[in-house]
Amino acid sequence: AQRVTQPEKLLSVFKGAPVELKCNYSYSGSPELFWYVQYSRQRLQLLLRHISRESIKGFTADLNKGETSFHLKKPFAQEEDSAMYYCALSPGSARQLTFGSGTQLTVLP
Amino acid sequence: EPEVTQTPSHQVTQMGQEVILRCVPISNHLYFYWYRQILGQKVEFLVSFYNNEISEKSEIFDDQFSVERPDGSNFTLKIRSTKLEDSAMYFCASSEYGQGLDEQYFGPGTRLTVT
Repeated sequence: AQRVTQPEKLLSVFKGAPVELKCNYSYSGSPELFWYVQYSRQRLQLLLRHISRESIKGFTADLNKGETSFHLKKPFAQEEDSAMYYCALSPGSARQLTFGSGTQLTVLP
Repeated sequence: EPEVTQTPSHQVTQMGQEVILRCVPISNHLYFYWYRQILGQKVEFLVSFYNNEISEKSEIFDDQFSVERPDGSNFTLKIRSTKLEDSAMYFCASSEYGQGLDEQYFGPGTRLTVT
């Protein structure tokens, strides 16, 4: 069975500081990894997926299969980045998403 | 931009009653999903649906739950006899192709309160 762990429930950083949201997973096969974000009073939305290797809103995430991690990083946090961030995993052949418990990021002015 | 919609936004029901939660997926999407999030806990997968049948379901999705696409636009989740522990936020999602990499678009959720 797959599992996603986000060790930090809450994370606060100052505007302009680097931010890293941690995500570790366990899955025996080759998973697809995602970061979803939920801004205040908005719906869950996809931020990025590992296969795309893209930077969205300045965020990047690298899949490290050796450490089974998919940490989300941004070099300079902005106040509008304050939100709940969920790491999620999908087994390659299936469609269900397994979510982590989420990290509430607060970027302080 | 098309969005997934859900109604109602908040439903209060008494234990033992049946509830139907409604979702309108994005019109050209083929795969539909229900997830739930009990307060303070993770978002959990319940069921996926494709071509008018269940594609996958989790252990949570027992005989008390059913899903249906009654017409060309709605996708419903029915809980036959609600329990207190069914109180949660229920999210509907849809995706275009249903492959592992496919983005799932989420609705705003229905908060179900069972008293």
